[in-house]
Amino acid sequence: KNEVEQSPQNLTAQEGEFITINCSYSVGISALHWLQQHPGGGIVSLFMLSSGKKKHGRLIATINIQEKHSSLHITASHPRDSAVYICAVGVDFGNEKLTFGTGTRLTIIP
Amino acid sequence: DAGITQSPRHKVTETGTPVTLRCHQTENHRYMYWYRQDPGHGLRLIHYSYGVKDTDKGEVSDGYSVSRSKTEDFLLTLESATSSQTSVYFCAISESTRRHYGYTFGSGTRLTVV
Repeated sequence: KNEVEQSPQNLTAQEGEFITINCSYSVGISALHWLQQHPGGGIVSLFMLSSGKKKHGRLIATINIQEKHSSLHITASHPRDSAVYICAVGVDFGNEKLTFGTGTRLTIIP
Repeated sequence: DAGITQSPRHKVTETGTPVTLRCHQTENHRYMYWYRQDPGHGLRLIHYSYGVKDTDKGEVSDGYSVSRSKTEDFLLTLESATSSQTSVYFCAISESTRRHYGYTFGSGTRLTVV
């Protein structure tokens, strides 16, 4: 059983649609990370959250500590957003050994 | 955006041979990590380091050893490679201070053990 669960595993949408990817975790955490990985590519850190909400361009990440749940939203989705989005949690701020979800594969169709 | 580099990027090796992967950082971050990524498992922690000569095991450390003799270098060694160690290996660095938090991944090393 994974401590970090993501849904959906796969998501296909039309360009311009509003996208939501969910992450639930079962342990107390110091921080939650959202990461992006393009096919065959490296891993890029999008957000680190310990509470509330963060926004960067068309990406918005929220976290509800009480419910142990986070969401990543993409507004006005674009084909270049096609990637695997990975949720990860750290339990020890400062030494962030992360536990990862298995990722959500997002495909945006033009 | 160098900051962290892994070498080699790709390697094919034979079962039973030793293999060393290198992670080099220019950020002077305290923490360094080795993860492996396999289909259906997500990334899993192999070993991590919290300073020069200070290392500890992660979730999937069997068959791997690490060394950190300098802040900037973190080496992962497979003493005798097995086919189950075919994977993509990612190094990462992190630092947490009052003024800065950062978590950065290397570009990955694709290792095939035949």
